[in-house]
This record gives sequence, C-alpha cells and structure tokens, in this order.
Amino acid sequence: KAGVTQTPRYLIKTRGQQVTLSCSPISGHRSVSWYQQTPGQGLQFLFEYFSETQRNKGNFPGRFSGRQFSNSRSEMNVSTLELGDSALYLCASSLRAGYDGGYTFGSGTRLTVV
Amino acid sequence: GENVEQHPSTLSVQEGDSAVIKCTYSDSASNYFPWYKQELGKRPQLIIDIRSNVGEKKDQRIAVTLNKTAKHFSLHITETQPEDSAVYFCAASINTGANSKLTFGKGITLSVRP
Repeated sequence: KAGVTQTPRYLIKTRGQQVTLSCSPISGHRSVSWYQQTPGQGLQFLFEYFSETQRNKGNFPGRFSGRQFSNSRSEMNVSTLELGDSALYLCASSLRAGYDGGYTFGSGTRLTVV
Repeated sequence: GENVEQHPSTLSVQEGDSAVIKCTYSDSASNYFPWYKQELGKRPQLIIDIRSNVGEKKDQRIAVTLNKTAKHFSLHITETQPEDSAVYFCAASINTGANSKLTFGKGITLSVRP
C-alpha cells in the first residue's frame, strides 16, 4: 500500500515568486492536512481539506492557500514568497475528517526561498 | 486555541539510561495526546498515544503518563538506545469529530550517547 506522496522533494525559489506543492494521500484517505515545519517552531498547522472542502485553517497569512481535488489529492500554494517561508512542508492524510489518530505523514517538500 | 509546550528543548542521555520528555497543554477539553518521533531527514511517525480516560499506557520500552489536573503528559523511554536519537513531538487534540485538529509542541531533540 503506497504511503503519502509529496512532490517535489526539494524546491528553491526566489523571493516574490509563487510555488505549488502537491500531496497524494494514501488510497482511500479523504482528509489531507498541511503543516509547516521550521527549526524551533515545530509543526504548525496550515489547513485541512476533506472532500474538496477546507474544514480548518491555521494562523497563516492569505498568501498560503490550498485546494483538494475529487481524487483527494491536495495542493498548497504560497504566493509572493518571503525568506521566512523557507521550511519543510508536510502533509498528512487520514481516513476521516478531523484528527482521529490515523494520521500518516508524507516525507515533505523542503522549500528554500533565496 | 490550544497551546502545547515541551520541556526541555534538548535532552542528552547515556545509552541504557532512561529519558523523560514533558509536555503541557492549555485546553482542558483536549482528550487525545499522541507522540511522534522524527528521525533526521524522515517523516514524523506515531509512536504512542493516550486518551484522557487513561492515566498511563506502555508499549515495550516506551510509556506515556497523563495528569489531567495539572494538564501535562510525559513520554518515558527506558533502556535508551542510539536509534532512539530523534526529535520527539507531543501533540494534543480535542478529538470530538470533524472539527478536531492536532496542535503540536515545538519538539525535543533527544540524543543518546553510545
């Protein structure tokens, strides 16, 4: 059974650009959550999607957005990149909406903004 | 919202000794407390969890204890081994259904000296 797949694994972007990250959940999982991981800040919740609807959102500016497709794959977009957006972006999938103990994380996309 | 804090931020122990990692949470409604282990360059993985109706849970060399009155919970690792070296994240969730979300602490780096 395939795990959670995130692409690309690494990205280097310039300030002001925008970026799109992709997450394919485990087959059958309908919920996808996104987290930003930075040294010293841990894992900070960005948003959760379930059945193509955003169900929860963290405290991030509007430059961070996401969506989910009918096949449960999710993308997150960051516009007008800032140096502080450099981080590991993790997605986690689960069978149902909300956190039910069944989170499986992907390996992440490491974004570097220069 | 929920706030989860971990102490200390780094911990170094001698191989074979025990390690204790403590977390506090702010929302008394939180009722589910998982612990994740993240090895260098890898994704976070669930290692143990506890629900609020249980005071302690063990799984081989690891155990978690919960004190609801004081709103803190701890991870105990006995007979530590070098492969226990990793970042450990505690988290809390008000696991009441579709609107639940997971709030993580900032992580503790555990180093086990051979």
